[in-house]
Formats: sequence, C-alpha cells, structure tokens
Amino acid sequence: AQSVTQLDSQVPVFEEAPVELRCNYSSSVSVYLFWYVQYPNQGLQLLLKYLSGSTLVKGINGFEAEFNKSQTSFHLRKPSVHISDTAEYFCAVYPNQGGKLIFGQGTELSVKP
Amino acid sequence: EAQVTQNPRYLITVTGKKLTVTCSQNMNHEYMSWYRQDPGLGLRQIYYSMNVEVTDKGDVPEGYKVSRKEKRNFPLILESPSPNQTSLYFCASSSPGPSSNEQYFGPGTRLTVT
Repeated sequence: AQSVTQLDSQVPVFEEAPVELRCNYSSSVSVYLFWYVQYPNQGLQLLLKYLSGSTLVKGINGFEAEFNKSQTSFHLRKPSVHISDTAEYFCAVYPNQGGKLIFGQGTELSVKP
Repeated sequence: EAQVTQNPRYLITVTGKKLTVTCSQNMNHEYMSWYRQDPGLGLRQIYYSMNVEVTDKGDVPEGYKVSRKEKRNFPLILESPSPNQTSLYFCASSSPGPSSNEQYFGPGTRLTVT
C-alpha cells in the first residue's frame, strides 16, 4: 500500500522569501508523483508531475520539485514567493503499475507582505 | 473550454433527505472519480469509474452511491445523508495513459448536513 506524508500542515512565509514544502511517501512499487494546488474556493489544479527521467521537475508559476528515490521524497520549492501563491498544496502518488491516486494531508502556504 | 462542472456548489440539507450532486465533464474522459476533502485528512476517494457502467469503491464509500450511465456524467447520491457527511466534495476526470492520473477537478460542492 502507498501512503503520503506532508510534513508541515501550515507554512507561513514572507513575500519574496524562498519556500520548501515537504512530501515523503512510502511505496513498495515505483510511483508517479504529483503536486496539486488549491486556491481559495477553487478546485485542485496540477502544478507539476514526475513520471520518469530527470529528477528535477519544473512546473507552473515558478515552482519546481525534486524526486529523491533513496529518501522517498518529492519536495516542492520556489525561490521567491508572491502573495498570489497563498493556497493549499497537495502531494500525491500513483503506482505506475496501476491503482489509485493517494493524496497527502495538504500544506497551507500563507504568504505575507 | 475543457472543464468539469458540479452542481450545486453549496447545499445545506437535513439528516435523511436524499440528495444528488451532479458532475459532468466535456473532455471525453473515461475515468471519473469523487473525493471528499476534510481538514487534516486531505482528499479521500469515495468512488471511481473506469468507464460507462463500470464503477468501484474508493477508500470511503459508505453512505454513498454512484452511477455512470453516460461517459460525461457521474452523479454522487446520498440516499440518507448524515452529519458526518458534511464535507467539501470534488469530482475529477482523466484519460488513460502514463499520465492517466493528471486529473481535472471540478470547483467543489460544499455540503452541510444538519
């Protein structure tokens, strides 16, 4: 069985500061990895994904994530955040042999001026 | 515009009164799914459908029903709602392939059961 742990439920940060949202997963099989973002009062939208190849993945809005197989992590980073990045972020895994998408508990990013 | 629509967006109801939340997608996706979102628990899958007339239970199916008579529609039915079903519900769809779980989400339905 797969599971996803997002290590921080809330991350407050000042505008233009760097941020890292942490995600660890456990799985006995190879997985695809995703980050979704949920802006206030909206549904989720895909931020970036790792399927294979380069372990550094770039997504929309200047976000990137690095897949670390030995540490079973897929942390999300942005070098300089904006007020508009305030949202909830979800890490998710999907076993590449099939199954279902498993979400983490979510991390609420709050960017302050 | 490619989208997943849900109706209603907000619903307040009473215990035991049957309700249906509709979901429709215009992307010809085979796979559709319902999730509920609760604070601190992330998204949990209720039911999913691989294609027309093919549905299966997710992680938290108790108290819910679904049907998939047409490819574009996947309604969620609560036959006898209870207060523990107060939650934010999302419908999602995707198409098969290596990125099959790049899911497109609807805007959500906030349900309150009193």
